[in-house]
Amino acid sequence: AQSVTQLDSQVPVFEEAPVELRCNYSSSVSVYLFWYVQYPNQGLQLLLKYLSGSTLVKGINGFEAEFNKSQTSFHLRKPSVHISDTAEYFCAVSALGSKLTFGTGTRLQVTL
Amino acid sequence: SAVISQKPSRDICQRGTSLTIQCQVDSQVTMMFWYRQQPGQSLTLIATANQGSEATYESGFVIDKFPISRPNLTFSTLTVSNMSPEDSSIYLCSAQAGNTEAFFGQGTRLTVV
Repeated sequence: AQSVTQLDSQVPVFEEAPVELRCNYSSSVSVYLFWYVQYPNQGLQLLLKYLSGSTLVKGINGFEAEFNKSQTSFHLRKPSVHISDTAEYFCAVSALGSKLTFGTGTRLQVTL
Repeated sequence: SAVISQKPSRDICQRGTSLTIQCQVDSQVTMMFWYRQQPGQSLTLIATANQGSEATYESGFVIDKFPISRPNLTFSTLTVSNMSPEDSSIYLCSAQAGNTEAFFGQGTRLTVV
């Protein structure tokens, strides 16, 4: 079975500052990794995914994440956040071809 | 990618009644799932909707409470039966095509009074 740990439940940050949202996973088999964003009163939208290949993955809205197999991490980063990035961010993992397991989420709060 | 239409988007229901939520995908997908998201919480998988057979339920969820149908590769329904205020939540439909990412509907915000 797989599991995901998002270490920070909330991350406050000022606009135009950099941000990192942390995600660690556990699995005995190879996995795919994902970051989703959920804006208020909305469903989940895929930000980026790691399936294979380059460990640095670029996604939408200027976000990127780096897969680190030795540290079993998949941290999400953005060099300069905007007010509109305020949302809930979920890290997820799936063993190849199976259902997703989600972390508990990180609330990113961007202020002026 | 797949576009998922879910309805209703929200509803307020009386306790003891049932609500059926519909999920329509714009393309054929291999897997469809139903999640529950309680206020301020992460997503909890209710069940995998299997085309042409009974759904596969996760621990803590049973068919009598959450009957699921999936008559074809693009459509599924979730019924929340005999509702109580504890069932107030957001219910999300999800679809996976192949072995990659899941796509989500906008969710159904259910309030039971």
